[in-house]
Amino acid sequence: DGGITQSPKYLFRKEGQNVTLSCEQNLNHDAMYWYRQDPGQGLRLIYYSQIVNDFQKGDIAEGYSVSREKKESFPLTVTSAQKNPTAFYLCASTIGLADYNEQFFGPGTRLTVL
Amino acid sequence: GQQVMQIPQYQHVQEGEDFTTYCNSSTTLSNIQWYKQRPGGHPVFLIQLVKSGEVKKQKRLTFQFGEAKKNSSLHITATQTTDVGTYFCAGRTAGNMLTFGGGTRLMVKP
Repeated sequence: DGGITQSPKYLFRKEGQNVTLSCEQNLNHDAMYWYRQDPGQGLRLIYYSQIVNDFQKGDIAEGYSVSREKKESFPLTVTSAQKNPTAFYLCASTIGLADYNEQFFGPGTRLTVL
Repeated sequence: GQQVMQIPQYQHVQEGEDFTTYCNSSTTLSNIQWYKQRPGGHPVFLIQLVKSGEVKKQKRLTFQFGEAKKNSSLHITATQTTDVGTYFCAGRTAGNMLTFGGGTRLMVKP
C-alpha cells in the first residue's frame, strides 16, 4: 500500500523543547512539503524539498528546520524559537515540483505545547 | 505575494440543498486545485483545472475556472451528509508553490 505516514499522531511538548515530526513516503515522489494548519484556517507552507539534500523555505519557515537525507524521508523539527507551535502539521508529496502535480497528504501530526 | 481568498468561511445547509464555495486570487493562476478535508482528516485531492473557462463535473460536484483564471468555484448539487468537510482551493502561478485558500467548512443537517 503506497502512501505517506506521519508519526506520532498526537504530540505534546513543553515550552522551550525542540521536537521532531516524522514524515515517510513510499510513493517514490521527488518533492515533499510541510504545511501548518491552524483551526479554521488554510494550509501554510513551511518548507519544501525538490530532491535529496536540497530544501527551500516556504512562507512561514521561522522557528522550523528540516532535512532531506533520503528520498523517502522529510522530518520537520519545531524548535524552541517557534513562538506559537501548537497546530496541525501536514506532510505532503508530489511526483515532482512541476505545476500540474496533485499533492498527496499524510494523516498529520497534532502538536500541542503545554 | 500571491493571495487566495475563499468564501464563505462556513456554510450550514439542509440535506438536499445546494452548496457553492468561491475562490478568488489576487493574481492570474496557471492552474487551480480543489481538495476536501473530512473532520479530523487530511486534505484529499479532488480535481485540477487548467484552462480558462474550464468546467469539470464529478457526479454532484461541478468545478469552474474563470475566464481570467483568477477565480474558481465548486458547486455541490443536492448535498448529502457525506459531503461534510472543509473544501480548499489551491492556486498556483507559474513556477511557484501552491497557495491554499482558507477553506469553506460545509455542515449538512440531515
